Amino acid sequence: ETGVTQSPTHLIKTRGQQVTLRCSSQSGHNTVSWYQQALGQGPQFIFQYYREEENGRGNFPPRFSGLQFPNYSSELNVNALELDDSALYLCASRPNRGQTEAFFGQGTRLTVV
Amino acid sequence: RKEVEQDPGPFNVPEGATVAFNCTYSNSASQSFFWYRQDCRKEPKLLMSVYSSGNEDGRFTAQLNRASQYISLLIRDSKLSDSATYLCVVAGGSYIPTFGRGTSLIVHP
Repeated sequence: ETGVTQSPTHLIKTRGQQVTLRCSSQSGHNTVSWYQQALGQGPQFIFQYYREEENGRGNFPPRFSGLQFPNYSSELNVNALELDDSALYLCASRPNRGQTEAFFGQGTRLTVV
Repeated sequence: RKEVEQDPGPFNVPEGATVAFNCTYSNSASQSFFWYRQDCRKEPKLLMSVYSSGNEDGRFTAQLNRASQYISLLIRDSKLSDSATYLCVVAGGSYIPTFGRGTSLIVHP
């Protein structure tokens, strides 16, 4: 077990709706990254938070947004859901932004219908 | 060109076989390299880091070739339990891990 927990584990939403996914990082880890993994693909970097501030962003539109809280837990919000947003969403925590080894949660499987 | 490229496979090998995966990366400034393993419908887990001099962990050997910008993973004496997807991971100065699409390995009896 990595100590990184995500909720919910599965979710079904309708196109156009909004969704919030949650991640509790491993104790002592201040850096959280979110990834989207479509079927048959590797995880794609969405963004990273370090000490409550966005610290890097991948090639995702602004309707993907996030937050990090003082206890370093994090949320991923997606507005105006599209069918192509159906994927496994992974949260990864790292002890510090200067360290690369990432510890993943079990993921949230989002289905948009 | 993608930042990290891998042959998706699948590689279908018998138990006991030796199998090798390669991965190429585009950013010559990349500094950290890893192999992760991902089982079906599970999260990725770190298999091993890759060091410049090459490194070994039991049946697994990782190599880095900076000049050609590729890393490799060699698995000897394959076990049924090695069946999984192997993800190549590269990070540059930002330390943000970038993943390849993964190579699928199927080990059969």
